[in-house]
Amino acid sequence: QVQLVQSGVEVKNPGASVKVSCKASGYSFTSYGVSWVRQAPGQGLEWMGWINGKTGDAGYAQGLQGRVTMTRDTSTNTAYMELRSLRSDDTAVYYCARDWGYVRDIWGQGTMVIVSS
Amino acid sequence: EIVMTQSPATLSLSPGERATLSCRASQGVSSSNLSWYQKKPGQAPRLLIYATSTRATGIPARFSGSGSGTDFTLTITGLQPEDSAVYYCQHDFFGGGTKVEIK
Repeated sequence: QVQLVQSGVEVKNPGASVKVSCKASGYSFTSYGVSWVRQAPGQGLEWMGWINGKTGDAGYAQGLQGRVTMTRDTSTNTAYMELRSLRSDDTAVYYCARDWGYVRDIWGQGTMVIVSS
Repeated sequence: EIVMTQSPATLSLSPGERATLSCRASQGVSSSNLSWYQKKPGQAPRLLIYATSTRATGIPARFSGSGSGTDFTLTITGLQPEDSAVYYCQHDFFGGGTKVEIK
């Protein structure tokens, strides 16, 4: 079946980096993009950016520019989101979602990232 | 950057009632690019509606969407207890969400 499976819980110190993976199966990975969305505790959903599964071109939310990089590996049908210079307010559940033109229809299970000293 | 504003913040209704959720864009957006999602605690978001009014696969007919330009609406007719959730509209960015509580 069509699914996205994300990597597990991450605990990081402030200032460190984290890289979350999102493995796709059940569909043609290069025919869709992947969006990344996060939700901090008690907060709403925040769209972080998007990567084109075919070309690897990516676009990021303005507030994360310079700290986030989204990549993909078409040999393993996996998308990655790396966030650098982590701060306590980056503590959140991070989701990947299959993206086809403003529609995010299949979601990963979420990855909890905890930033704490 | 197009800002999406949702109202009300919270809606408290009884089972069987109709819920009307509003989403306003800071500038006009294409109707093809407006989606609605349901988010329950501990679960991933679930796509409900895309292209303003098209129900996603498996979504019950009690969920419907409408609107154009800057004003969009999600309507839930005949509220069920399992509809208790936060609902988000999205263009690129998400609105702040509307929490629907079932009395």
